[in-house]
Amino acid sequence: DTGVSQNPRHKITKRGQNVTFRCDPISEHNRLYWYRQTLGQGPEFLTYFQNEAQLEKSRLLSDRFSAERPKGSFSTLEIQRTEQGDSAMYLCASSLGAGRLNTEAFFGQGTRLTVV
Amino acid sequence: GDSVTQMEGPVTLSEEAFLTINCTYTATGYPSLFWYVQYPGEGLQLLLKATKADDKGSNKGFEATYRKETTSFHLEKGSVQVSDSAVYFCALRWTGKLIFGQGTTLQVKP
Repeated sequence: DTGVSQNPRHKITKRGQNVTFRCDPISEHNRLYWYRQTLGQGPEFLTYFQNEAQLEKSRLLSDRFSAERPKGSFSTLEIQRTEQGDSAMYLCASSLGAGRLNTEAFFGQGTRLTVV
Repeated sequence: GDSVTQMEGPVTLSEEAFLTINCTYTATGYPSLFWYVQYPGEGLQLLLKATKADDKGSNKGFEATYRKETTSFHLEKGSVQVSDSAVYFCALRWTGKLIFGQGTTLQVKP
């Protein structure tokens, strides 16, 4: 297993366009997380899945953002009608967990989004 | 809500100096505490963790002790190296998600 994989690594888009990112977690991990990180800040939680169920979404998550994990394996994060403020690094992480028990969360390299 | 506060950076030290990066937290439950490190050009990596009060996490010469009475999890290393230059993040987890502090940049000069 090569760890958590994110694609693309970089994305430049024009304001108003839609973008979609993909995350492939470690294969046996049932939990998958999305975070956003801006320069000089820590990762900010967006949402997480246990298998295919989306268990929690941040209240900060605009309705322009949607995430899916249809078969409980890979996940996609879509941003509609992108704005310049969406420019950030989008991180994906995965872990094995049940209830409040969790193994270590492993992070991908991230997708850097630039909205121009 | 749950939150993590770290000392402001950047922290600049000479090689072999002693390092402390302060971290305090606010949590409604009994969280696990973590330090993650992000080296230049790389992804976040777990450095160490502690799952209950008075536990000490350690790795690569770094240590941190879970202090419930002061709600702290300060990161320490006795002798830093140039290769320790990175951004360090303190984090907590009570329910499924990790909550991170804002990060502290450490620069170690030869």
